[in-house]
Amino acid sequence: GNSVTQMEGPVTLSEEAFLTINCTYTATGYPSLFWYVQYPGEGLQLLLKATKADDKGSNKGFEATYRKETTSFHLEKGSVQVSDSAVYFCALSEGTGNQFYFGTGTSLTVIP
Amino acid sequence: DSGVTQTPKHLITATGQRVTLRCSPRSGDLSVYWYQQSLDQGLQFLIQYYNGEERAKGNILERFSAQQFPDLHSELNLSSLELGDSALYFCASTGGSWTDTQYFGPGTRLTVL
Repeated sequence: GNSVTQMEGPVTLSEEAFLTINCTYTATGYPSLFWYVQYPGEGLQLLLKATKADDKGSNKGFEATYRKETTSFHLEKGSVQVSDSAVYFCALSEGTGNQFYFGTGTSLTVIP
Repeated sequence: DSGVTQTPKHLITATGQRVTLRCSPRSGDLSVYWYQQSLDQGLQFLIQYYNGEERAKGNILERFSAQQFPDLHSELNLSSLELGDSALYFCASTGGSWTDTQYFGPGTRLTVL
């Protein structure tokens, strides 16, 4: 079946630190991969996505590369800010039904 | 603004009661999803509809039901409510292709007292 495994949190970093949140997936076909972010009190919003192997998604300084050989889609940012404090979800979508599978979420807190 | 609307924003009710949550998808989107998010359970997929038909079912309790209407809006009905049903309920929509982004509404916060 399809599933997403995300790095456990919570993660606490100092401002300007490097961020990596690991995400690996299991899929029976060729999924699209997504990172969503949820700020306190809000719904989930798309951060970036990649729809085929070796694609790199990027947005607001965040990047993730679709690695088919390692079934991974790790989220990275070179220098985090306090405003990046949020919960990050990795997700995949596959199949004609377009069903989504979400990871458990990783809470990030960035301290000044 | 994602274009997905949900009403009401907040709902407070008592155990044993029944409530209806409403969702309007983004213009042009055919597929609607419902999720439950609680502190200890993370984001749980409940059910998906595509153009009025049920497409996939997740961890949806028998006390819960949903439907998608011809105008594509969807309703989630929760009955015989229990304290543990207190959570955020999100609706999301997509066009229906596997490469499409899922757009989330702002959620309905349900509190069962």
